[in-house]
Amino acid sequence: SQTIHQWPATLVQPVGSPLSLECTVEGTSNPNLYWYRQAAGRGLQLLFYSVGIGQISSEVPQNLSASRPQDRQFILSSKKLLLSDSGFYLCAWSGLTDTQYFGPGTRLTVL
Amino acid sequence: AQSVTQPDIHITVSEGASLELRCNYSYGATPYLFWYVQSPGQGLQLLLKYFSGDTLVQGIKGFEAEFKRSQSSFNLRKPSVHWSDAAEYFCAVGDQTGANNLFFGTGTRLTVIP
Repeated sequence: SQTIHQWPATLVQPVGSPLSLECTVEGTSNPNLYWYRQAAGRGLQLLFYSVGIGQISSEVPQNLSASRPQDRQFILSSKKLLLSDSGFYLCAWSGLTDTQYFGPGTRLTVL
Repeated sequence: AQSVTQPDIHITVSEGASLELRCNYSYGATPYLFWYVQSPGQGLQLLLKYFSGDTLVQGIKGFEAEFKRSQSSFNLRKPSVHWSDAAEYFCAVGDQTGANNLFFGTGTRLTVIP
């Protein structure tokens, strides 16, 4: 069966510091991968999606970036964090069934 | 453009009572529709989905949803709510492109009173 992992689970970072969040999927090949952000009390905002290695589409202009160095690995990065980057970051994958399955999330607090 | 509206931000029900969470969508073709549930600090779990066929869809944990094309709705129901159902519920519509992107509503927070 397929599983999706995210780490770290929680992260506290100072403003201006770099960021790297990792997401990996097991048990499937060539998945579509997604990064969402969920701000406190708000819905999910799609940040990036990828349909293949090295193929990244950005939905919202911001100081974040994403990369897909391997088929089942998706990384969310920033060179300099802002206070507004705080939130709950969710990774998801989908295959041929058009259904997205979510990871456990990373809680990011920028101070 | 695709969009989803969940008009109820917060709903409170008594344990054992019935539940209906509303979802209205905007989509140009026959939509793919989803309901997800999120417990505090957790990821999203798929409750059920509608792609085609029978408009009444059964999901996990005793939930069901009915697709009504004439009303552009996909309301989630449960006949008897349990305290463990307290969570945030999200409705989503899929864009059916190769990227399978989802457009989410803003969610409905469910509180269950003992």
